[in-house]
Amino acid sequence: GQNIDQPTEMTATEGAIVQINCTYQTSGFNGLFWYQQHAGEAPTFLSYNVLDGLEEKGRFSSFLSRSKGYSYLLLKELQMKDSASYLCAVLDSNYQLIWGAGTKLIIKP
Amino acid sequence: DAMVIQNPRSQVTQFGKPVTLSCSQTLNHNVIYWYQQKSSQAPKLLFHYYDKDFNNEADTPDNFQSRRPNTSFCFLDIRSPGLGDAAMYLCATSRVAGGDYNEQFFGPGTRLTVL
Repeated sequence: GQNIDQPTEMTATEGAIVQINCTYQTSGFNGLFWYQQHAGEAPTFLSYNVLDGLEEKGRFSSFLSRSKGYSYLLLKELQMKDSASYLCAVLDSNYQLIWGAGTKLIIKP
Repeated sequence: DAMVIQNPRSQVTQFGKPVTLSCSQTLNHNVIYWYQQKSSQAPKLLFHYYDKDFNNEADTPDNFQSRRPNTSFCFLDIRSPGLGDAAMYLCATSRVAGGDYNEQFFGPGTRLTVL
């Protein structure tokens, strides 16, 4: 079966750095997405990785290792508005998005 | 701004009373997806359209139907809502279903309450 694992919840302090991990087992791989979802709102796109390595975009970076079936999202200089769920999703061989259940990130002052 | 619009943002219906949720897009994307998302769970794909081609997920109940009369509009019909159908319903679009970049753009969602 297809499976995406990410921690259910994480807590971090404002101004700090946090890394959210995602491991996946899917039938084929055509890229990995990270989405941010605030409570009661729709997911918004953060990043896309299809090749190994680190993609940096402002305070957010995303890393991919295809051989390990592993990705992480790195958030720097955390702000209170970063409190949200972060969803990892993999595009499989049929170009279907397989979603993780999301990691709820709680930022404390 | 090009966008995905969902109406209404919140819908209350009675057990067994049909309800229709709507989605429109100004992105001119080929693909439209309907997801169901329950609290603290991953979005669950119900079906998607590639242009007019309808693709139903194997585990989507018959209670859920969809119509796409044109590129811009798509509707989700729930014929006889049950208490278990209370959820957030998300509409998303993408330019293509395959290819090397398949970012999905989401509407704000419709929260359905079943009484």
